Amino acid sequence: EPEVTQTPSHQVTQMGQEVILRCVPISNHLYFYWYRQILGQKVEFLVSFYNNEISEKSEIFDDQFSVERPDGSNFTLKIRSTKLEDSAMYFCASTARGRGDTQYFGPGTRLTVL
Amino acid sequence: AQSVSQHNHHVILSEAASLELGCNYSYGGTVNLFWYVQYPGQHLQLLLKYFSGDPLVKGIKGFEAEFIKSKFSFNLRKPSVQWSDTAEYFCAVIPYSGGGADGLTFGKGTHLIIQP
Repeated sequence: EPEVTQTPSHQVTQMGQEVILRCVPISNHLYFYWYRQILGQKVEFLVSFYNNEISEKSEIFDDQFSVERPDGSNFTLKIRSTKLEDSAMYFCASTARGRGDTQYFGPGTRLTVL
Repeated sequence: AQSVSQHNHHVILSEAASLELGCNYSYGGTVNLFWYVQYPGQHLQLLLKYFSGDPLVKGIKGFEAEFIKSKFSFNLRKPSVQWSDTAEYFCAVIPYSGGGADGLTFGKGTHLIIQP
């Protein structure tokens, strides 16, 4: 069964450094998402992406964040200058038909900012 | 904006006990509803979903959920739990619009522990 994959599984970085989290969505899916889960808190929506542009973003997704689909398979989340409060689990998801369709999640990347 | 409330944050049951996890949402319009499960060390997986039609939906591994529109609820049930059901359970909602790519709104999750 096709799966969403994410790399790395764990990333440790120093405050102020840039990080790029990578995702490979399911191959025939067209809509892509990033979520995050701070330890002990709920999973929160960050951004959705369709047709090479952002469809919707939450208040969390400020100017420090950006997303890109650099090629036909990868979907990346960049945090320009990490802060301590960016430490969280970041999940990528994808779906074939957008809103209302089942979102398939990747295993997540644990980001630790020191 | 929509919100989701899960009433039980930690639930401990013995094997063969019946399970009901509460989920209420807040949104004035039509929604699609989901229950996801996260087993230890694994990623979020879909248990079941409700889009329209029969408000009683059946999912994988013997789980079911009932959508009660008047109560804005979508409670998850299983008549007899197994040790392997130990996991984190998340209720999620998304407004229905027939298109678009908006994100899911999740509840805080319920950590379910099944004791053998």
